[in-house]
Amino acid sequence: SYVLTQPPSVSVAPGQTARITCGGNNIGSKSVHWYQQKPGQAPVLVVYDDSDRPSGIPERFSGSNSGNTATLTISRVEAGDEADYYCQVWDSSSDWGFGGGTKLTVL
Amino acid sequence: EVQLVESGGGLVQPGRSLRLSCAASGFTFDDYAMHWVRQAPGKGLEWVSGISWNSGSIGYADSVKGRFTISRDNAKNSLYLQMNSLRAEDTALYYCAKDIRTGLRPSYFDYWGQGTLVTVSS
Repeated sequence: SYVLTQPPSVSVAPGQTARITCGGNNIGSKSVHWYQQKPGQAPVLVVYDDSDRPSGIPERFSGSNSGNTATLTISRVEAGDEADYYCQVWDSSSDWGFGGGTKLTVL
Repeated sequence: EVQLVESGGGLVQPGRSLRLSCAASGFTFDDYAMHWVRQAPGKGLEWVSGISWNSGSIGYADSVKGRFTISRDNAKNSLYLQMNSLRAEDTALYYCAKDIRTGLRPSYFDYWGQGTLVTVSS
């Protein structure tokens, strides 16, 4: 199966930039999607196809993907961004696979 | 407004069965593939099963293959998951999720329901 590796946690001060990585073998050749999940809530799509944003998602959320690492970048982090973030790709060996998730803490 | 409302969860003994439902509204249901994704308590997301718009293509995670059956009724705008031979490790919040495509191809989920909790315990 195709393994996606995320750091368990990332901490950042308000107003700073948070970068959450998602590692996978040659992940740059795949489309990566990111979901935000706040406590007690369903996941919400925040970035799709590596770097596109759904309507209603702030421009502060951006994504990139190259080589073996995809990155979700959150600029000017706010307290309301505190959540778990999951990357997701489709692969023939694992279908719709998710990373283990990263807990973003706003200090 | 897209709405996905799951139901049917509950406490069930190991080895027993349960059927989950997902009522969809706010979009043309039979234009999209649909999925079930679960999340064990305190754990991450796990794709469980997906079904194409016309039920012509169906897929399952290895962990549920042979035990779970996904289906849909486009006339009722509803998605289902029949879960048999339930195990303790099936305990999770089960989400219904809408695909962006009609078929089961590389894709992602643009809308999710709030989930229904399944607890497998004696």
